[in-house]
Amino acid sequence: NAGVMQNPRHLVRRRGQEARLRCSPMKGHSHVYWYRQLPEEGLKFMVYLQKENIIDESGMPKERFSAEFPKEGPSILRIQQVVRGDSAAYFCASSPKTGIDGYTFGSGTRLTVV
Amino acid sequence: QKEVEQNSGPLSVPEGAIASLNCTYSDRGSQSFFWYRQYSGKSPELIMSIYSNGDKEDGRFTAQLNKASQYVSLLIRDSQPSDSATYLCAFADSNYQLIWGAGTKLIIKP
Repeated sequence: NAGVMQNPRHLVRRRGQEARLRCSPMKGHSHVYWYRQLPEEGLKFMVYLQKENIIDESGMPKERFSAEFPKEGPSILRIQQVVRGDSAAYFCASSPKTGIDGYTFGSGTRLTVV
Repeated sequence: QKEVEQNSGPLSVPEGAIASLNCTYSDRGSQSFFWYRQYSGKSPELIMSIYSNGDKEDGRFTAQLNKASQYVSLLIRDSQPSDSATYLCAFADSNYQLIWGAGTKLIIKP
């Protein structure tokens, strides 16, 4: 029973390029959450999605960032025109119908912008 | 504003002693509370969940919940160097989204 799968594990992008981060939730989980974490800092909520719907994007920067969770395939977090400040660990988590029993996290994607 | 307060630490505990981690939360309506452990460079891992007042034990870990005081704690008995990590407290709000504390860094000294 595979857990939450994130890829790539490490991603290096030059300033101005696009970054695409992928997340496949656990089998049977229909809710996906994206978080960003800077070194030595806490988790920062970005966005909460269900299939084909964005439920809460209150943590997403207004520009350059977008997320989707299509009917088929993984959830995608997309960062356009990356800047050095986007360098961070990006974690995806999933849950069944609700988060009442907590979330399961993927291993994360470490984005480095050079 | 839904909030979770944790002492950021670091909390230093001698090996073999009891480590006590504390957390307060703002949402009186919350029913679900969680402790996650995060090793440096790794993702958070759920170690304890608690839903009712009182204590819940799992091996060396005990979670304690006091809804009247809006307080949840985690006790780690016989602390080991491998317990050194950041411990994140979270609760599920009325929409079942998790609200997170900033985490407490725990250091177990051999």
